[in-house]
Amino acid sequence: GDSVTQMEGPVTLSEEAFLTINCTYTATGYPSLFWYVQYPGEGLQLLLKATKADDKGSNKGFEATYRKETTSFHLEKGSVQVSDSAVYFCALKNGGSQGNLIFGKGTKLSVKP
Amino acid sequence: KAGVTQTPRYLIKTRGQQVTLSCSPISGHRSVSWYQQTPGQGLQFLFEYFSETQRNKGNFPGRFSGRQFSNSRSEMNVSTLELGDSALYLCASSLPGTGGEKLFFGSGTQLSVL
Repeated sequence: GDSVTQMEGPVTLSEEAFLTINCTYTATGYPSLFWYVQYPGEGLQLLLKATKADDKGSNKGFEATYRKETTSFHLEKGSVQVSDSAVYFCALKNGGSQGNLIFGKGTKLSVKP
Repeated sequence: KAGVTQTPRYLIKTRGQQVTLSCSPISGHRSVSWYQQTPGQGLQFLFEYFSETQRNKGNFPGRFSGRQFSNSRSEMNVSTLELGDSALYLCASSLPGTGGEKLFFGSGTQLSVL
């Protein structure tokens, strides 16, 4: 079945460092891909998405490009802030409106001042 | 605009008991999904309801069930609780016409089974 694999955490960075969180997927067809973020004490929220190959999703300085040839959707940010400390989940959705979101296990990011 | 509200926030039960969790979606959202979150398995899909009908179901035993009411509020029930059911249960709602791609999550109900 469809699945998502993302890098194990936790990841600890200093403020203004470059961030990459790796995500690869296995899926039939052409899924949509997502990054969700869970800030401490809050519910998950959509960070960005891409719906077809070579699309780039971006939001709040974060970017991810849908790479079908490598089945990847890596999350990047050029300069992280303390406020970016959170758990990041990669996810995919297949099957149109009938499909459900399939999540990776999450990567905890801690940014130190 | 109020977010997705889940009650109760915490629950402690013993093995063999049953439990009901509640979820109130954002006003206007008609689709409600439930997920189980554990450190080992991450988020696993339980089921989705739309207009009072179960539209999709994950790979969980029949002890896990749910329903949705005409006002879109949803409940999930777990019968004959097992230790392994200890988890954070998350509810998410979405707007019609978005294909369920943008989910709005509640803060969850933390269930501990002793």
